[in-house]
Amino acid sequence: EAGVTQFPSHSVIEKGQTVTLRCDPISGHDNLYWYRRVMGKEIKFLLHFVKESKQDESGMPNNRFLAERTGGTYSTLKVQPAELEDSGVYFCASSQTKTRYYNHYFYEQYFGPGTRLTVT
Amino acid sequence: QQPVQSPQAVILREGEDAVINCSSSKALYSVHWYRQKHGEAPVFLMILLKGGEQKGHEKISASFNEKKQQSSLYLTASQLSYSGTYFCGTEPGYSSASKIIFGSGTRLSIRP
Repeated sequence: EAGVTQFPSHSVIEKGQTVTLRCDPISGHDNLYWYRRVMGKEIKFLLHFVKESKQDESGMPNNRFLAERTGGTYSTLKVQPAELEDSGVYFCASSQTKTRYYNHYFYEQYFGPGTRLTVT
Repeated sequence: QQPVQSPQAVILREGEDAVINCSSSKALYSVHWYRQKHGEAPVFLMILLKGGEQKGHEKISASFNEKKQQSSLYLTASQLSYSGTYFCGTEPGYSSASKIIFGSGTRLSIRP
């Protein structure tokens, strides 16, 4: 079974330019997440899709970030216009496997290798 | 609320043991442990749900102390392959398939 894939692996752009990151989740996974890790810091949540719907976008830093998941398969994250502070590694994760605890379910998230974005 | 991990970094010789702690000022509903090697995807190790629960993955095990709102990851007889950054993560509640809030990570280096 193929894992989560992300494209590109690296992107170097100038401040003010636009970049679009792509994530292909594991086939059949309804849940898709975007995270970001700025150098040396924690992995920070950006947003969560369930199929094509945005379940939680509380982590999106501002309106320069736009995420889509048309058709509930792959997802794109567009940064427009990019700023220096947007540099970091952007991870995508997907989940479907559940662990039940009483009436609650917890999902294991499987991460992609990330896209390293450098804004100069 | 971001969980706090300690220590920030550990250097071990192959075969030595290590403990990584993860604590929260808020109630913990679950604790996820991940390991990330440089330039690679974070890899899921285990999830703990119940107070007192312990789990193992290879020679890596973890415990969850619900009352103390903390979890510990134990690495026994460390191998070179254990090197990487370990993250603990928590979920903000019992909501379904919710986001993970990660700690700042513990960098583990194993020397031959």
